[in-house]
Amino acid sequence: DIQMTQSPSSLSASVGDRVTVTCRASQSISTYVNWYQQKPGKAPNLLIYGASNLQRGVPSRFSGSGSGTDFTLTISSLQPEDFATYYCQQSFSNMWTFGQGTKVEIK
Amino acid sequence: QLQLQLSGPGLVKPSETLSLTCTVSGGSIRSGSDFWGWIRQPPGKRPEWIASVFYNGDTYYNPSLRSRVTILVDTSKNQLSLNLSPVTAADTAVYYCARRAESGSWLYFDYWGQGTLVTVSS
Repeated sequence: DIQMTQSPSSLSASVGDRVTVTCRASQSISTYVNWYQQKPGKAPNLLIYGASNLQRGVPSRFSGSGSGTDFTLTISSLQPEDFATYYCQQSFSNMWTFGQGTKVEIK
Repeated sequence: QLQLQLSGPGLVKPSETLSLTCTVSGGSIRSGSDFWGWIRQPPGKRPEWIASVFYNGDTYYNPSLRSRVTILVDTSKNQLSLNLSPVTAADTAVYYCARRAESGSWLYFDYWGQGTLVTVSS
């Protein structure tokens, strides 16, 4: 299985901050990474696919980058509705796997 | 707007069968090249992919669950179903169904059902 490891596991930030979440794959996966946002009691919501492609309807303050084994999700200016848990997920292999999540909390 | 609605019991006894149905509305389960996925998420943990199925029955499974999972597709009802048997307490999780879409060679889950908590307990 391809392991996806996120860092940090949690972070505290203020509204307006620039936030970066990192995801590392256990082997090279090209750009086959997706990012999801999950709020308590809700299903994950797709933000980014193919490492850097913004899903329709997602605010432009979200961006993704990376290829190979190292990927980042960036929120350029954190908004109150962005406090949530973020997951990376690889679709390189037929066996899809998720990172352990990064919880973004209010400072 | 595509919607996925999950139904099924919220409590299952150990060693019995977990059965869930996902009803798709606002679109056809036979649409294009879409696969449909089952994902679960134990409380406080990361999501775990279970399987992805095409309307003709072609299925990819998580190898760790393959021996216990059955996925069925009913195109007449626009439904897919998940059976997991036998279950243990470790199968307690929120279960989701989702659409697996594609853009070029990139694949991703873009529409998700609301999720349903299934607790395995006697």
